[in-house]
Amino acid sequence: SQQGEEDPQALSIQEGENATMNCSYKTSINNLQWYRQNSGRGLVHLILIRSNEREKHSGRLRVTLDTSKKSSSLLITASRAADTASYFCATDVAGGTSYGKLTFGQGTILTVHP
Amino acid sequence: DADVTQTPRNRITKTGKRIMLECSQTKGHDRMYWYRQDPGLGLRLIYYSFDVKDINKGEISDGYSVSRQAQAKFSLSLESAIPNQTALYFCATSDPNRGYYGYTFGSGTRLTVV
Repeated sequence: SQQGEEDPQALSIQEGENATMNCSYKTSINNLQWYRQNSGRGLVHLILIRSNEREKHSGRLRVTLDTSKKSSSLLITASRAADTASYFCATDVAGGTSYGKLTFGQGTILTVHP
Repeated sequence: DADVTQTPRNRITKTGKRIMLECSQTKGHDRMYWYRQDPGLGLRLIYYSFDVKDINKGEISDGYSVSRQAQAKFSLSLESAIPNQTALYFCATSDPNRGYYGYTFGSGTRLTVV
């Protein structure tokens, strides 16, 4: 079963609106990361939030982490057509010797209409 | 030049053929990974290597093998390709021991097995 599950699977919004994507996971983590993938291209790292952090910002991105609920959200403010992409959460599962090895969710497809 | 280079970009091969996908990096990262991406399934880990002498199976290693020829090179082989290995394959690097927790991905190899 997937460690990370994302919701919604697809999101369609107008330019200028905010986009929120959610990620839930099953086991304790060291950190959680978000990635963007433009169609058929390699994934690009966006932001990392550690297990002892609750919120992090980077430009128009805001990530929250609730370890009690085992969930995270990615907010993109004032979206642009260029934000159209798939967004993936990835978890670095705590424990064992494999720290730093990521498990990816299935992704959210974001479409921003001009 | 890209930080992580995958070759070939696209490949069509016949069932039963042996094929090698290559990955090289200029990041100087210790860790390298091979993932495959299938529609709706996110990225699944095939093999990973924490250093030249350390190779580990991921969640879907059956039918695949790898070779870490040097710190900068990590190759993935399909011993006898089958149609359900048709997918987009990604190589990635990281180096959490030096603070590089996020992955750097290559542009991917689109493999079709007919």
